[in-house]
Amino acid sequence: DIQMTQSPSSLSASVGDRVTITCQASHDISNYLNWYQQKPGKAPKLLIYDASNLQTGVPSRFSGSGSGIDFTFTITSLQPEDIATYYCQQYDNLPSTFGQGTRLDIK
Amino acid sequence: QVQLVESGGGVVQPGGSLKLSCAASRFTFSSFAIHWVRQAPGKGLEWVSGISYDGTEKHNADSVKGRFTNSRDNSRNTVYLQMNSLRAEDTAVYYCVRSPHRLIAVAGGYFDFWGQGTLVTVSS
Repeated sequence: DIQMTQSPSSLSASVGDRVTITCQASHDISNYLNWYQQKPGKAPKLLIYDASNLQTGVPSRFSGSGSGIDFTFTITSLQPEDIATYYCQQYDNLPSTFGQGTRLDIK
Repeated sequence: QVQLVESGGGVVQPGGSLKLSCAASRFTFSSFAIHWVRQAPGKGLEWVSGISYDGTEKHNADSVKGRFTNSRDNSRNTVYLQMNSLRAEDTAVYYCVRSPHRLIAVAGGYFDFWGQGTLVTVSS
C-alpha cells in the first residue's frame, strides 16, 4: 500500500496568513493526489483534485501543487471559516490512502 | 445538488452483522462508482470499499476483506455494505461517497460528493 505522510499534524495561524501543508507519498503517484477539508461534525469536502485542480465552487485562495511524491496545499490568505482538518489522499491505485490529517486553527 | 443518504448504523455486539444502505438522488446513479470511507472516533479517514457503476468491479481494504461485501441496486439507486464478523476496531462513522468515474481501479479517482455518515458502534 502507498503511505501518505502529511505535515504538520497541527498548525496555528492568524487571519490573513499564508498557510502551507505538505504531503509525501511512499511511491510515485504522478499527480493523483487530492485534498479535502473537514469541519468538526461534518463530512469531508473535496477542495483540490489531481494535485492542482480546484473543485467547482471552492474559493481561489485554496491551491495545490506537486507531482511524483511531494505535494503542497496552500491557503493564500487564511479566513476564519477555514478552521478545519485537512487531508491529502492518493488515488493512484487501490487501496486509496489518506494522510493522517492537519488540524488548522486560528492563533 | 447530489444527495447521498446513509442509513443502517447502530450498536452491534462483536461478531455480529449490520447492513448499511446508501440512497442516492439528483444524479444518474448508474453511471458512477461508489465507495465507502470510514472514520473512527477522533481519528483520520480510511477507505473501506468500492464498487463500479454496474457492480461488476469491487475492491475491499485488507482490514475488511472477507468480512464486508459491497453491492448495488441501480433500479433503486442504492448501494449496500454488508458487514459481518464485526470487531471493536470497525467502530466508526461510515461515509458513502461518489467517484466521478465509472470504474474503481482507475488512477485519478477522487470523491466529489459525500453523505452525512452513519455511526457504527461495535461493543458488548
